[in-house]
Amino acid sequence: GAGVSQSPSNKVTEKGKDVELRCDPISGHTALYWYRQSLGQGLEFLIYFQGNSAPDKSGLPSDRFSAERTGGSVSTLTIQRTQQEDSAVYLCASSLGRDRVYEQYFGPGTRLTVT
Amino acid sequence: DQQVKQNSPSLSVQEGRISILNCDYTNSMFDYFLWYKKYPAEGPTFLISISSIKDKNEDGRFTVFLNKSAKHLSLHIVPSQPGDSAVYFCAAQPLGFGNEKLTFGTGTRLTIIP
Repeated sequence: GAGVSQSPSNKVTEKGKDVELRCDPISGHTALYWYRQSLGQGLEFLIYFQGNSAPDKSGLPSDRFSAERTGGSVSTLTIQRTQQEDSAVYLCASSLGRDRVYEQYFGPGTRLTVT
Repeated sequence: DQQVKQNSPSLSVQEGRISILNCDYTNSMFDYFLWYKKYPAEGPTFLISISSIKDKNEDGRFTVFLNKSAKHLSLHIVPSQPGDSAVYFCAAQPLGFGNEKLTFGTGTRLTIIP
């Protein structure tokens, strides 16, 4: 079946512009996560959605970052007034439910470059 | 503050030999550990996991060892195959419901030499 898809695969933007990154989780997966990997760093948790519960935003690095998940499916990560330090690969993952026994399936990521 | 550390950024191993990837953690609340494998331009894929109530978990050629007192885990791949060449990430989750988010290490790039 279809895995997690993300778009665009690559995005180059100028400093100060806003960007939107999209994630389509696996159908039926109620949990959705955003992570990012900056150069030389591990994957860093950003935000987590589970069903209709309030999202866990504890990993968002600043108020320029926000995310929403419409209809419990597609999610959009928005970065406003991008900075060069926002350059990273942004990864989305989804899982069947809110329990760690459920494997997180990752998408291929969006490589964001801020010039 | 890197709570999960993979101190070797790269490792080269001859085909057929054992590959040993290491991971250390600092947060004593972590009690579930996972290894992910990542090929270029793809997302990480789950490989194997271990709960803190165990010290070893085996799945085919892959074995993960956990030393809780040392806050150290390792992934053994034997025998190593060329298709094992990838970046391997160690990840951890803390105890408790609602703590599904993963804390990752920086990864180790494994190259298997034919």
